[in-house]
Amino acid sequence: EAQVTQNPRYLITVTGKKLTVTCSQNMNHEYMSWYRQDPGLGLRQIYYSMNVEVTDKGDVPEGYKVSRKEKRNFPLILESPSPNQTSLYFCATSSLAGVDNEQFFGPGTRLTVL
Amino acid sequence: GENVEQHPSTLSVQEGDSAVIKCTYSDSASNYFPWYKQELGKRPQLIIDIRSNVGEKKDQRIAVTLNKTAKHFSLHITETQPEDSAVYFCASANQAGTALIFGKGTTLSVSS
Repeated sequence: EAQVTQNPRYLITVTGKKLTVTCSQNMNHEYMSWYRQDPGLGLRQIYYSMNVEVTDKGDVPEGYKVSRKEKRNFPLILESPSPNQTSLYFCATSSLAGVDNEQFFGPGTRLTVL
Repeated sequence: GENVEQHPSTLSVQEGDSAVIKCTYSDSASNYFPWYKQELGKRPQLIIDIRSNVGEKKDQRIAVTLNKTAKHFSLHITETQPEDSAVYFCASANQAGTALIFGKGTTLSVSS
């Protein structure tokens, strides 16, 4: 079954404690991206990757890191989480190297930073 | 920077009525405009999209229109049903095709 998975789905943590949210896809998609969703602000792109070892900043990259060492995985790393990073995070993938085609979203990760 | 404005932020209709959501975008080089539906607690899912070489696209009860000159595009849902209740997001792709710029969303409520 074609799918995008994220782990964990829910996480409560404390300020400064490093964490990683994983994203994995089994569709052999080129493009992967991370978004955060906040009430009244819609979806904002954090980082994206056009292919393995190719990553770049989106609109709101501050406080986040990513890596793309293999095609199927695109982890989001928060080195020192802060309360303003409390949000709902979505990973998304698409078959072509870009966004001008259907984006397949993961189930979301709800993060709370105390 | 690039921006997508979406209106209204909330919309309440009776079952069977039509619903229209409108978006404007700022980047005149944008050429791809998708609409995503997000049900409560779920992930966003593509419902329809349109490219700049087309003025209108229809899929059963939903349609999207695009006016490139005015930089407007709209989602039309006819014969609304309670299961259409959700948050709808419009988006435009930047010229490089590396990012979708999303509107802030419209919460549609369809009452029976």
